[in-house]
Amino acid sequence: DQQVKQNSPSLSVQEGRISILNCDYTNSMFDYFLWYKKYPAEGPTFLISISSIKDKNEDGRFTVFLNKSAKHLSLHIVPSQPGDSAVYFCAAKRSNTGNQFYFGTGTSLTVIP
Amino acid sequence: EAQVTQNPRYLITVTGKKLTVTCSQNMNHEYMSWYRQDPGLGLRQIYYSMNVEVTDKGDVPEGYKVSRKEKRNFPLILESPSPNQTSLYFCASSWGPAAYEQYFGPGTRLTVT
Repeated sequence: DQQVKQNSPSLSVQEGRISILNCDYTNSMFDYFLWYKKYPAEGPTFLISISSIKDKNEDGRFTVFLNKSAKHLSLHIVPSQPGDSAVYFCAAKRSNTGNQFYFGTGTSLTVIP
Repeated sequence: EAQVTQNPRYLITVTGKKLTVTCSQNMNHEYMSWYRQDPGLGLRQIYYSMNVEVTDKGDVPEGYKVSRKEKRNFPLILESPSPNQTSLYFCASSWGPAAYEQYFGPGTRLTVT
């Protein structure tokens, strides 16, 4: 049973525009969320995270929004650049469950120059 | 250079032939994990470890074993591999409690025929 879902397998965006990647979760006990970026033939790399005590976290061009009532988070990339083309995974965990993480299925973002 | 290394990067084997995929990190991280990535299923956690001699099951532990005899190493053992274990495997490490950002290795592509 997939507890973290990314319903869009792929997304294409023009360079300079906003990319919005979405993630939904089913377990209301999750209280920490992360986004990772993955290039082909490499391991995922951490991008940005958010705790459930916040509803927004920004880091440069990347902003993550959390809507706890809807069990939904989104990653906004503004402006999008060709180097952002990658697969993006969202992940979630409960803070009192050791090192157990749940990842989504990933969204492949293509930024068109 | 801070990194997580995995060996081998590619492996083709036959059903039932025991194999070990090694993972090593040079960041003195307490926590380590193994994941598998499959199309349409994203990243799924196999096992994790929160310290030497402390390991626990993730989402999909069946058919796998792990050990954590030293802080830096966390090998993944397949005692009797089967074709459904054909996958892309990632090792990851992180500092420990409340430091949820994980550093991933480059991946091991395993094919079991």
